[in-house]
Amino acid sequence: DGGITQSPKYLFRKEGQNVTLSCEQNLNHDAMYWYRQDPGQGLRLIYYSQIVNDFQKGDIAEGYSVSREKKESFPLTVTSAQKNPTAFYLCASTKDRVYNEQFFGPGTRLTVL
Amino acid sequence: GQQVMQIPQYQHVQEGEDFTTYCNSSTTLSNIQWYKQRPGGHPVFLIQLVKSGEVKKQKRLTFQFGEAKKNSSLHITATQTTDVGTYFCAGGDFGNEKLTFGTGTRLTIIP
Repeated sequence: DGGITQSPKYLFRKEGQNVTLSCEQNLNHDAMYWYRQDPGQGLRLIYYSQIVNDFQKGDIAEGYSVSREKKESFPLTVTSAQKNPTAFYLCASTKDRVYNEQFFGPGTRLTVL
Repeated sequence: GQQVMQIPQYQHVQEGEDFTTYCNSSTTLSNIQWYKQRPGGHPVFLIQLVKSGEVKKQKRLTFQFGEAKKNSSLHITATQTTDVGTYFCAGGDFGNEKLTFGTGTRLTIIP
């Protein structure tokens, strides 16, 4: 089955630690996205990538970093510089540009203690 | 930057009643997409509208895109318990490669 996987589903970290969230897709999609969702809120774009080895900042990139070394993978690192990292993180992909639907992974719920 | 607002934020309806959520953008959109997120789940694509004034139907769901391509609505006829969830609109800018998601409308059904 084709799809997007995110691991782990739940993640706990101590304040001041960097943490990397995994996102893998086997849909052969060109574009990948990271969103943050806070309780009762919409989705806010952190970073996105249209092609391998290239990515752009979204609306709330501060305190986050990404890489796109392979088409299938788009990991997100939440650094200690992110002031309020506890949230639900969603990864998505699209076949190409914005005219296509976004396929979402199951999400990772990060709690920083 | 582009902003997309949705109203209402919450809606509680009796099962069988109709439901409507409205989406408004600060800028003209190239297209609008609608997603549904069940409690504890992830957003799932419902539909995309591209043309000015476009109307699309999926069974009990009717989607509209405004003439100016700055607003949209989702109407559900005769709600069922399976309709529970949060409905998001998401707008695409011309020349952009990303979507801006609305704030969402959370629908709860009273049996």
